[in-house]
Amino acid sequence: AQSVTQLDSHVSVSEGTPVLLRCNYSSSYSPSLFWYVQHPNKGLQLLLKYTSAATLVKGINGFEAEFKKSETSFHLTKPSAHMSDAAEYFCVVRIGDTGRRALTFGSGTRLQVQP
Amino acid sequence: DVKVTQSSRYLVKRTGEKVFLECVQDMDHENMFWYRQDPGLGLRLIYFSYDVKMKEKGDIPEGYSVSREKKERFSLILESASTNQTSMYLCASSFRYEQFFGPGTRLTVL
Repeated sequence: AQSVTQLDSHVSVSEGTPVLLRCNYSSSYSPSLFWYVQHPNKGLQLLLKYTSAATLVKGINGFEAEFKKSETSFHLTKPSAHMSDAAEYFCVVRIGDTGRRALTFGSGTRLQVQP
Repeated sequence: DVKVTQSSRYLVKRTGEKVFLECVQDMDHENMFWYRQDPGLGLRLIYFSYDVKMKEKGDIPEGYSVSREKKERFSLILESASTNQTSMYLCASSFRYEQFFGPGTRLTVL
């Protein structure tokens, strides 16, 4: 069975400081991993995805994540937080390379950005 | 751009009512999904469909059914709504790796 654990339910940073949102996964097979973002009253948007190519993945809005198989982690980072980054972030795992299989979501991390 | 639309943004129903939530996608995707989102629990899969008239149960199918008569439309049905089905419902469609989500329907059952 696959699962994903987001280690922090809330993270608060100051504008201009680095962001780290932590995610660990469990999977018996080679997983695909994603980060989605949900802004208030808006739909989920894909930030970035790892699908067994480069282990360092760059996404939209300056975010990136590194797949570390030895640590079963896929942490999301950004060098400098912006006020517009305040949102809820979901780490997601999927097994298989077709669209058929559904995604398993983490419980989410709410990011607050203080001025 | 892929567009996934859901019939209502907000819905209020009474206990015991039959509720239909509709989802339409415009990209000819074969796969469609229904999730519910609750605080602290992330998204949980209710049902998914990989072709017209085909469906599979997700992690929490109890109290729900689905219908997929046309490729672009995937309906979620609450046969007899209960208060514990008050939630945000998200529809998605997918091609290969990425799932595209609708804006969600916030359902309140009184």
